[in-house]
Amino acid sequence: KQEVTQIPAALSVPEGENLVLNCSFTDSAIYNLQWFRQDPGKGLTSLLLIQSSQREQTSGRLNASLDKSSGRSTLYIAASQPGDSATYLCAVFSGGYNKLIFGAGTRLAVHP
Amino acid sequence: KAGVTQTPRYLIKTRGQQVTLSCSPISGHRSVSWYQQTPGQGLQFLFEYFSETQRNKGNFPGRFSGRQFSNSRSEMNVSTLELGDSALYLCASSLEVGRRGTQYFGPGTRLTVL
Repeated sequence: KQEVTQIPAALSVPEGENLVLNCSFTDSAIYNLQWFRQDPGKGLTSLLLIQSSQREQTSGRLNASLDKSSGRSTLYIAASQPGDSATYLCAVFSGGYNKLIFGAGTRLAVHP
Repeated sequence: KAGVTQTPRYLIKTRGQQVTLSCSPISGHRSVSWYQQTPGQGLQFLFEYFSETQRNKGNFPGRFSGRQFSNSRSEMNVSTLELGDSALYLCASSLEVGRRGTQYFGPGTRLTVL
C-alpha cells in the first residue's frame, strides 16, 4: 500500500531563512511527484512536478528533488518570506493505484 | 487562460438530502479528478473522468457518483448525505489521464451537512 509521509507536520521560522520540507513514500513505483501549496480554506496551487526519471525541478526560490529509489523528496525554499506561509502538500502518482496519493502536509509559518 | 472553476463555493445541506457539485476544467483539459479533503482523513481520491468515461474510482460508497460531459465539464453527486460527508471537495484537471501531467486544482466547494 502506498503511503506518503511529510515531516515536519508544522514549522515556524523567521523571515529570510532557508528551509527544507521532507516527503517520503513507501512504494517507489511512481510516475511522478508533485508539490502543492494550500492557503487556508482554498484550493491547491501546483508548485513543482517531478517525473520519475528526473532528479530535481526548480522554480524561482523553490527547488524540489526526488530520490525514487529511497522513496524521498525534499522541497527547498530559499530566503523565506511571510507570503510563503501556507500548508505544503506532496503527492505521488502511484502506478499501482493510478491516482494521486497525498501526504498530510507541512504547515509553514514565516514570521517577520 | 482561466483556471479550474467550481460551483457553488459553499453549500449547507441536511442529512438525507442530495447534492450536486460542478467543475469546469481548464480549456483544453480532458481529464477531471475529484478529491475529498477533511481534517481527519486529509485528501482522498474520489474518481477520475476522461473523455466522458470514468477511468478510476477511489474507496467511497456508491452514494458518491459523477459524470463528465462532452465539453469536459464534470459533476459530482452525493445522495443521502451523512454528517461525515462535510468536507472540502476539490476537483483537478489535467491535459491527459492523470499519470503524466500536472494536476491543476480548483478553489473547492465547502459542503456542510447539518
